[in-house]
Amino acid sequence: EAQVTQNPRYLITVTGKKLTVTCSQNMNHEYMSWYRQDPGLGLRQIYYSMNVEVTDKGDVPEGYKVSRKEKRNFPLILESPSPNQTSLYFCASSLSGRTGYTFGSGTRLTVV
Amino acid sequence: ILNVEQSPQSLHVQEGDSTNFTCSFPSSNFYALHWYRWETAKSPEALFVMTLNGDEKKKGRISATLNTKEGYSYLYIKGSQPEDSATYLCAFRDTGNQFYFGTGTSLTVIP
Repeated sequence: EAQVTQNPRYLITVTGKKLTVTCSQNMNHEYMSWYRQDPGLGLRQIYYSMNVEVTDKGDVPEGYKVSRKEKRNFPLILESPSPNQTSLYFCASSLSGRTGYTFGSGTRLTVV
Repeated sequence: ILNVEQSPQSLHVQEGDSTNFTCSFPSSNFYALHWYRWETAKSPEALFVMTLNGDEKKKGRISATLNTKEGYSYLYIKGSQPEDSATYLCAFRDTGNQFYFGTGTSLTVIP
């Protein structure tokens, strides 16, 4: 089944403890992206990648890192999480610039 | 920060009614306009991707139009059904490959 797989689905962590949210797609998509969803705000782009080893900042990249070493994987790294990074995170991928995204199931992160 | 606005914020209609919502976006640096449907406790699902001024797309009872010169897109639902209840998101993709989502229109269809 064609899908974007994110893990974990839920995570509670403490301030400053490094964490990684994994994202993997099995559709050979070129474009991958991370978003966060906060109440009253639209999905905001954190980072995106057009292809392997090519990553760019989105609207809200501060406090996050990404890597794209393989086409299928695009992990989101929080080196030192803070409470303002408590949010619902989505990974998404698309075949090209003219096709829609396939979204992962989301990761609800709480930083205390 | 680029502004993508959707209106109305929420909408309640009776089953069988037709309805439409608006997405406004910048008319410069346009690359594509996406529409997504987002049901509660699920992930957004792609409805349409439109790239050319004047584009019209249709999927069943749902259709969309695009005006890139004035910076707006309309989504229409004909004969709304309870299963159409969801939040409808639009997203503007600029020529620099960044995406900007609106906050969505929440549709409730009352049986």
